[in-house]
Amino acid sequence: EIVLTQSPATLSLSPGQRAALSCRASQSIGSYLAWYQQKPGQAPRLLIYDASIRATGIPARFSGRGSGTDFTLTITSLEPEDFAVYYCQQRSDRRTFGQGTKVEI
Amino acid sequence: QVRLVESGGGVVQPGRSLRLSCSASGFIFSNFAMHWVRQAPGKGLDWVAVISVDGSTKYNTDSVKGRFTISRDDSKNTTSLQMNSLTTDDTAVYFCARDPRRIARFYFENWGQGALVTVSS
Repeated sequence: EIVLTQSPATLSLSPGQRAALSCRASQSIGSYLAWYQQKPGQAPRLLIYDASIRATGIPARFSGRGSGTDFTLTITSLEPEDFAVYYCQQRSDRRTFGQGTKVEI
Repeated sequence: QVRLVESGGGVVQPGRSLRLSCSASGFIFSNFAMHWVRQAPGKGLDWVAVISVDGSTKYNTDSVKGRFTISRDDSKNTTSLQMNSLTTDDTAVYFCARDPRRIARFYFENWGQGALVTVSS
């Protein structure tokens, strides 16, 4: 099973700052990676798929990059509504999710 | 707009069965693969099952093989998850999710609000 390791576990930032979230796969997954945002009591929301493609309606401040085993989600300037938990997910083999990164104020 | 609404959650004893349903609207249901994804309380996300557009292909995660069955009824715009031989490890919020494509890409583009399943004696 491919294991996705997200870091850091928690990121403490202020509105307006830049956030960089990491996701590392235990083996190469090409570009088969997605990022989701989840707020308390809500369903996840797809942000990025195929490592770098923004989903419909996702603001341009969210961007993804990477391939193989190392991936990054960047939020260029945090808005108050961006404070949430972010998960990465691979679809290369037996779909798995990372354990999440909490972006907190 | 795309809307997915789960129903059928509740409290069930270990070893018993429960059936979840997901009602879809706002898109042509028969054109998309559908998934179930779960989240144990305070934990991360765990993909459970997928069904193809015509219902002919189904995959489950290993931990539910032989116990959970996904199905769909395109005439009613619904997908269901029949869960048998439930254990306490199955306690979670179960989300219905739509794949972005006819042929499953195993990304989860739209989600329902979730149905809580609690397995407890």
